[in-house]
Amino acid sequence: DIQMTQSPSSLSASVGDRVTITCRASQSIDIYLNWYQQKPGNAPKLLIYAASSLQSGVPSRFSGGGSGTDFTLTISNLQPEDFATYYCQQSYSVPPYTFGQGTKLDIK
Amino acid sequence: QVQLVQSGSELKKPGASVKISCKASGDIFSRYAINWVRQAPGQGLEWLGWINGNTGRLTHAQGFGGRLDLSLDTSVSTAYLQINSLKAEDTAVYYCARVRLVGILVGDDPFDVWGQGTLVTVSS
Repeated sequence: DIQMTQSPSSLSASVGDRVTITCRASQSIDIYLNWYQQKPGNAPKLLIYAASSLQSGVPSRFSGGGSGTDFTLTISNLQPEDFATYYCQQSYSVPPYTFGQGTKLDIK
Repeated sequence: QVQLVQSGSELKKPGASVKISCKASGDIFSRYAINWVRQAPGQGLEWLGWINGNTGRLTHAQGFGGRLDLSLDTSVSTAYLQINSLKAEDTAVYYCARVRLVGILVGDDPFDVWGQGTLVTVSS
């Protein structure tokens, strides 16, 4: 199985900041890396798919990059509604789908 | 509007079974596989398995000892997850989530629509 490792596990930032979350795969997954946002009490929501494609309706301050084993999610100009937990997921070699452990982004 | 609507919370005793439903609306059921993902309290996301909405074929995660039973009723566009021999560590929110089929197979797409989640509590 492909292991996904996110860093950091938690992150504090202020409204208006730019933050970057990283995700590393235990082997190459080409570009098949997806990012989800989860707010307390809610289901995960797809933000970015295929490493850098923005899901319809997601604000353009979210961006993704990377290929192979190393990937990033960047949020520019943080807004209050962006404080949440973010998960990466590989969809290259399934089953099984595997997720990172999550990165909790909270307000500084 | 495409959505997945899950059944309500469940409280079960250890050793019992639970069956959760996930009803799809707004799109053609046979174009997708339905995945099941769970999240224990304060923990991350764990994939459990999928059922192909076109072929009905099942794929399970390892480590559940045959306790998971995935099924679907295409006549009502509903997928089901049954967990047998429940343990306290099965306490979690269970989500269904769809992935687009490529032809009749699961490809490399993401989970683009999720159900709202079903809390299953296992306690004596």
